[in-house]
Amino acid sequence: DAGVIQSPRHEVTEMGQEVTLRCKPISGHNSLFWYRQTMMRGLELLIYFNNNVPIDDSGMPEDRFSAKMPNASFSTLKIQPSEPRDSAVYFCASSSDEIDYEQYFGPGTRLTVT
Amino acid sequence: AQSVTQPDIHITVSEGASLELRCNYSYGATPYLFWYVQSPGQGLQLLLKYFSGDTLVQGIKGFEAEFKRSQSSFNLRKPSVHWSDAAEYFCAAMNSGYSTLTFGKGTMLLVSP
Repeated sequence: DAGVIQSPRHEVTEMGQEVTLRCKPISGHNSLFWYRQTMMRGLELLIYFNNNVPIDDSGMPEDRFSAKMPNASFSTLKIQPSEPRDSAVYFCASSSDEIDYEQYFGPGTRLTVT
Repeated sequence: AQSVTQPDIHITVSEGASLELRCNYSYGATPYLFWYVQSPGQGLQLLLKYFSGDTLVQGIKGFEAEFKRSQSSFNLRKPSVHWSDAAEYFCAAMNSGYSTLTFGKGTMLLVSP
């Protein structure tokens, strides 16, 4: 298996622009997680999907952030409009409730908003 | 509120020396416990996990961790550190029956020659 795939790996954009981050979970996994990592706040859970349904989005910072999971093999995290304080590394992870709850992480997308 | 605490932000260990990274949790019931490692520019990789049973768990790369209920701790250990172990280590916890993890702030391990 290729593991969790994220794209792009790096994104540099200007304040006010729309940013879309993409994630392909491991085939057969039924849970998907989006995290944000910064020096100041560490790893924060943004949103959690189970069987393509958002279960917990309490970590989404504000309305500028939205996430979708249209099918079991694809998810997006969108920021519109982006701000410099959104600069961070965004990780996607997936897991299977039917196996062992272990979360497998993607390599992350490093977002820089200037 | 549920929380995971890693009291050491940075630790420096000489190559070949032993290592112990501390982790404490605050949960209503004993959670599932995990240790992850993150190398620079990489995602997180699971080292080991504890759900129940034997309180000493073995993981990959020669790591082990011991669950101590009385101390609400799940410390990570390695008897002899290698330069390639330099990375950031995260302790995490999950309520049994749920899927979301709570992470500690991480401990950066530096290995000196």
